[in-house]
Amino acid sequence: DAGVTQSPTHLIKTRGQQVTLRCSPKSGHDTVSWYQQALGQGPQFIFQYYEEEERQRGNFPDRFSGHQFPNYSSELNVNALLLGDSALYLCASSTKVQGLQPQHFGDGTRLSIL
Amino acid sequence: KQEVTQIPAALSVPEGENLVLNCSFTDSAIYNLQWFRQDPGKGLTSLLLIQSSQREQTSGRLNASLDKSSGRSTLYIAASQPGDSATYLCAVQTDSSYKLIFGSGTRLLVRP
Repeated sequence: DAGVTQSPTHLIKTRGQQVTLRCSPKSGHDTVSWYQQALGQGPQFIFQYYEEEERQRGNFPDRFSGHQFPNYSSELNVNALLLGDSALYLCASSTKVQGLQPQHFGDGTRLSIL
Repeated sequence: KQEVTQIPAALSVPEGENLVLNCSFTDSAIYNLQWFRQDPGKGLTSLLLIQSSQREQTSGRLNASLDKSSGRSTLYIAASQPGDSATYLCAVQTDSSYKLIFGSGTRLLVRP
């Protein structure tokens, strides 16, 4: 049973560029959440997708956007990259059908901005 | 606004010691609380999930307690091993939406 998979593993971009990160949820999960984790900090909630719609959003600017596909996979897009966007981006999946269950996290995408 | 704090930020202990990691949160109206483990450069692994109606959960050498009224949770690790070295994160869920609010973590080093 494959868990949450994220791609790519590492990415290097320069300021002003745009980036797309991808996430495939654990089999049977229909909800995907994205988190940003700066070095030495806990993850910060970016947004959550369910039924192909953004359901909740954290305190992140509109430069951060996302999408969920019919197969429940998801993308995180970041435009006009800033140095401060350098972080580990984590995807977590869960299901609203089975009720209270722990979320499953992927290994993340390490994004470095030069 | 819910805030989660973890103390200490780092901890170094000799192998075999029992230890306690602390987590505090400012708003007692939580849905559940989870403890995660994170190895360097890796994602998060869920260790224990305590529902708001529960007082504790146990898994092997790990025991987590929850006191909502005081806004505190502790993770107890018995007979620590070098393989337990990692960062331990506490997170609260405030509703059924699965949005988690994390602390900054405790970096644990267990010395052989």
